[in-house]
Amino acid sequence: GAGVSQSPSNKVTEKGKDVELRCDPISGHTALYWYRQSLGQGLEFLIYFQGNSAPDKSGLPSDRFSAERTGGSVSTLTIQRTQQEDSAVYLCASSLDRGLAGSDEQYFGPGTRLTVT
Amino acid sequence: AQSVTQLDSQVPVFEEAPVELRCNYSSSVSVYLFWYVQYPNQGLQLLLKYLSGSTLVKGINGFEAEFNKSQTSFHLRKPSVHISDTAEYFCAVPASGTYKYIFGTGTRLKVLA
Repeated sequence: GAGVSQSPSNKVTEKGKDVELRCDPISGHTALYWYRQSLGQGLEFLIYFQGNSAPDKSGLPSDRFSAERTGGSVSTLTIQRTQQEDSAVYLCASSLDRGLAGSDEQYFGPGTRLTVT
Repeated sequence: AQSVTQLDSQVPVFEEAPVELRCNYSSSVSVYLFWYVQYPNQGLQLLLKYLSGSTLVKGINGFEAEFNKSQTSFHLRKPSVHISDTAEYFCAVPASGTYKYIFGTGTRLKVLA
């Protein structure tokens, strides 16, 4: 079946511009995650959505970052007034919540490579 | 707080040789443990996971890992690697009682011909 998709695959933007990154999770997956992957830094948790619960935004690095998930499906990560340090690969993942916190496999999209010039 | 340490940032190994990628975690409670693999220009995919039961976990592509509670380790092993195993490998644990996951900084495995 279809996996997690992300768009665009690459985005080059000028410093100070806003960008929107999109994630389409696997149909039926109730949990959705955004991560940032910088060279040599591993994966940095940004935000987590679970069903109709309030999202866990504890990983967002600044108030320039925001995310929403509409209808429990598609998610958009928005970065306002981009800075050069925002350059990274942004990964989205979804999982099927089986009710045991922390036990679920995450399915990752291919990522969006963001370059801020 | 939970943490994950992958001490080796890069591991070069010759084809058909064995390999071990190390992962240590900090925890005082029961844990779930994961290894993911990321091939060039792709997202991550699950290699294997430990939830409970046998401490030796077998995954895809001939990889296995052993959960060692006393040493708080979950090292990944393969007895004979192939060129196609060249990738980055991430160990991950959930933050206690949450759905948030903590990933290690990754180990880049390079298999040499």
